[in-house]
Amino acid sequence: AQSVSQHNHHVILSEAASLELGCNYSYGGTVNLFWYVQYPGQHLQLLLKYFSGDPLVKGIKGFEAEFIKSKFSFNLRKPSVQWSDTAEYFCAVKVSSASKIIFGSGTRLSIRP
Amino acid sequence: GAGVSQSPSNKVTEKGKDVELRCDPISGHTALYWYRQSLGQGLEFLIYFQGNSAPDKSGLPSDRFSAERTGGSVSTLTIQRTQQEDSAVYLCASSFAPGTSSSPLHFGNGTRLTVT
Repeated sequence: AQSVSQHNHHVILSEAASLELGCNYSYGGTVNLFWYVQYPGQHLQLLLKYFSGDPLVKGIKGFEAEFIKSKFSFNLRKPSVQWSDTAEYFCAVKVSSASKIIFGSGTRLSIRP
Repeated sequence: GAGVSQSPSNKVTEKGKDVELRCDPISGHTALYWYRQSLGQGLEFLIYFQGNSAPDKSGLPSDRFSAERTGGSVSTLTIQRTQQEDSAVYLCASSFAPGTSSSPLHFGNGTRLTVT
């Protein structure tokens, strides 16, 4: 069965630091990949997605992610974080032959002002 | 409203009681998911409905859990004989059609279930 691993459970950064959150999935076929974000007190919302084409995808608020098929990875990056990026970030994968979307365990990002 | 609506927002129940959680998806959304979010556990997939197809129940943790979706719209998640380990936030999400580039999941605010 497919699975998603997010190795960083809690990341603490200072403002203006660069961010990279890891995401690895286990499935050998075609996948659709997502990053969702949950800001404190709010519901989950889509940050960015990869379906096909350019493996470097850009999302809202300056976030981007790169799909590296050979590494089964879809890491999330941001060059310079802000205090308002404090949130929990979830990586998710959809296997094309099935339809359910599987989420990772999440990474909590704390930004020191 | 335009979003996914879940009720109740909070539910406290005694161990052994049954509970029903409700989800109203966005109108026209054919796909509906239930997830469970526990502290430090991420989002655990429970069940998925897509149109008139048989639901994918592969994530339901035990036969105490069941869900239905009536008329392709409202869904109810039922937990029978609740246990303390069932305490979590239960999230519902809907999308227009899974897998298309224009259909992200839209999440509700969840139902926080506490079993005492």
